[in-house]
Amino acid sequence: EAAVTQSPRNKVAVTGGKVTLSCNQTNNHNNMYWYRQDTGHGLRLIHYSYGAGSTEKGDIPDGYKASRPSQENFSLILELATPSQTSVYFCASGDAEEQYFGPGTRLTVL
Amino acid sequence: GEQVEQLPSSLIVQEGASVLINCSYTDSASVYFPWYKQEPGKRLQFIIDIRSNMERKQTQRLTLLFDKKTKHLSLHITATQPGDSAIYFCSASNRYNQGKLIFGQGTKLSIKP
Repeated sequence: EAAVTQSPRNKVAVTGGKVTLSCNQTNNHNNMYWYRQDTGHGLRLIHYSYGAGSTEKGDIPDGYKASRPSQENFSLILELATPSQTSVYFCASGDAEEQYFGPGTRLTVL
Repeated sequence: GEQVEQLPSSLIVQEGASVLINCSYTDSASVYFPWYKQEPGKRLQFIIDIRSNMERKQTQRLTLLFDKKTKHLSLHITATQPGDSAIYFCSASNRYNQGKLIFGQGTKLSIKP
């Protein structure tokens, strides 16, 4: 089974601060995804990647950047965090078929 | 862009009862529909999927029905157990978006023992 891990699992940040969420997968999937989960919205795609060095904008990319330095690692970067970015963030890896999700990161921006 | 809607947003049933979760989508180009389950505090896990060239798929206590004409799916869970308590997500992807999934809002299912 694919293993997707995220760090940190919980994060409290201050408004205007920089936040980096990290994701690692060990199943050699080309595609990786970052979602945020908010009540009433389900999961919404922020950024995704087709492989090392590639990042693509998802449906709600504003205020977020992404970095894919290697096949295994995919980061989500909030350069200037805002309270509206308080959410649970999920990373996933996979392909056009099944996606494997990480355990999530709960981010609170004060 | 594609929109995926789920109903109901939540439901509570007695253990042993059957439940039906409905999902509709808007993009005619959508061809693949995986469903995920998220138990409290846990990660999403794939439970069942269907392609647009199928009408029905069944695995254990789950039956997934697909109507291409009405752009509607329904997930039927029989003989519910406490472990079925979770949020269920419908999602859709099309042949052009290379793995991007659009998720519904989720249906929170609570099973009363």
